[in-house]
Amino acid sequence: GAVVSQHPSRVICKSGTSVKIECRSLDFQATTMFWYRQFPKQSLMLMATSNEGSKATYEQGVEKDKFLINHASLTLSTLTVTSAHPEDSSFYICSGEDGDTIYFGEGSWLTVV
Amino acid sequence: AQSVAQPEDQVNVAEGNPLTVKCTYSVSGNPYLFWYVQYPNRGLQFLLKYITGDNLVKGSYGFEAEFNKSQTSFHLKKPSALVSDSALYFCAVSGPTMDSSYKLIFGSGTRLLVRP
Repeated sequence: GAVVSQHPSRVICKSGTSVKIECRSLDFQATTMFWYRQFPKQSLMLMATSNEGSKATYEQGVEKDKFLINHASLTLSTLTVTSAHPEDSSFYICSGEDGDTIYFGEGSWLTVV
Repeated sequence: AQSVAQPEDQVNVAEGNPLTVKCTYSVSGNPYLFWYVQYPNRGLQFLLKYITGDNLVKGSYGFEAEFNKSQTSFHLKKPSALVSDSALYFCAVSGPTMDSSYKLIFGSGTRLLVRP
């Protein structure tokens, strides 16, 4: 299947700082990418749909000013957590749409201290 | 609204025995159904999908799933479980949205534990 790469896999940042997570489709072009958040032992919660060349579509309850998404090219979407707080600590997973199948990255563990 | 239910938090099977992980869905129109597997601290790996065609879908690692429209189910199965199949399994449903993208809605996940 198609490959989606996420970087970094783990990041620790101080409270109040911003951190960027990259999501790349390595062998396909992803017009649409999705960002999910997963809490321990829970399912995935869709945060936003990232569309290349346009603004992201955020799910209800997700702060767009806190979770900035940029999809500048067909192979790269970035999620920036701004002014991070400990409650933002979580596992963030991106995915890319290749035809009618969505492929996921390996996820990024964010710890805010 | 689209939704998917996985009624079992955990499924326990002995190695070599058949396994079933249950999934039911609710969607208007024709469903697009998926199964993904997640190993600890990893992303999701695509196992199989049903879009149209044969109700029995074969996927990766010997898994298969049967689409049952009358029961709105899409149970994941494997004839002979391996210890290495132990993981978290997610069923998901989607359909094309207005902009033709596919937004996946996930079930709560089922932990499969295969004992030696």
